[in-house]
Amino acid sequence: NAGVTQTPKFQVLKTGQSMTLQCAQDMNHEYMSWYRQDPGMGLRLIHYSVGAGITDQGEVPNGYNVSRSTTEDFPLRLLSAAPSQTSVYFCASSYSIGGHRTEAFFGQGTRLTVV
Amino acid sequence: GEDVEQSLFLSVREGDSSVINCTYTDSSSTYLYWYKQEPGAGLQLLTYIFSNMDMKQDQRLTVLLNKKDKHLSLRIADTQTGDSAIYFCAESPPVGATNKLIFGTGTLLAVQP
Repeated sequence: NAGVTQTPKFQVLKTGQSMTLQCAQDMNHEYMSWYRQDPGMGLRLIHYSVGAGITDQGEVPNGYNVSRSTTEDFPLRLLSAAPSQTSVYFCASSYSIGGHRTEAFFGQGTRLTVV
Repeated sequence: GEDVEQSLFLSVREGDSSVINCTYTDSSSTYLYWYKQEPGAGLQLLTYIFSNMDMKQDQRLTVLLNKKDKHLSLRIADTQTGDSAIYFCAESPPVGATNKLIFGTGTLLAVQP
């Protein structure tokens, strides 16, 4: 089935380690985004991309890098993990309704714990 | 400023109607959305409404928008145990530099059999 695939589903890191969360979509959507979900705070946008080769910062970009070399893939890199980055991470793929980006498809999430 | 608020918890009995409420602050918002998140899963887009509409109905779901009071609600008719989940509302500001959705903190709906 078409959709957004995230890997891994679970990850434990030590403080200072780096890692990449993978995200892939097969719907040829131009827009892709990364969110983190923390209790009582809803979803907060980390980075987003409006197309291959184009990325921009969201609400909470510090400590994260992204790249978009293809339409399908949008990996999120944690440069030096910190306990404050313990969270559930969601990748989303979007289409446009009336010129407005609509987050229509979400991955299953990656539960990250930094110790 | 941009802010979306929801109550944290709602409990209903199976077969009753559920009404989940949301308030937002950006009067220039153009699209408003409702998402459902089941345990261990990502968000699922349920429905959306354009800001020049008052109501939208989709099977058991009814969205009501009071733009004057910046109040959005989602009514689920004949609530089932499978409707137990966290429901998020989100607003989309006008197309601009950020063009990003603002999510509420979510309402946990518990359906009692």
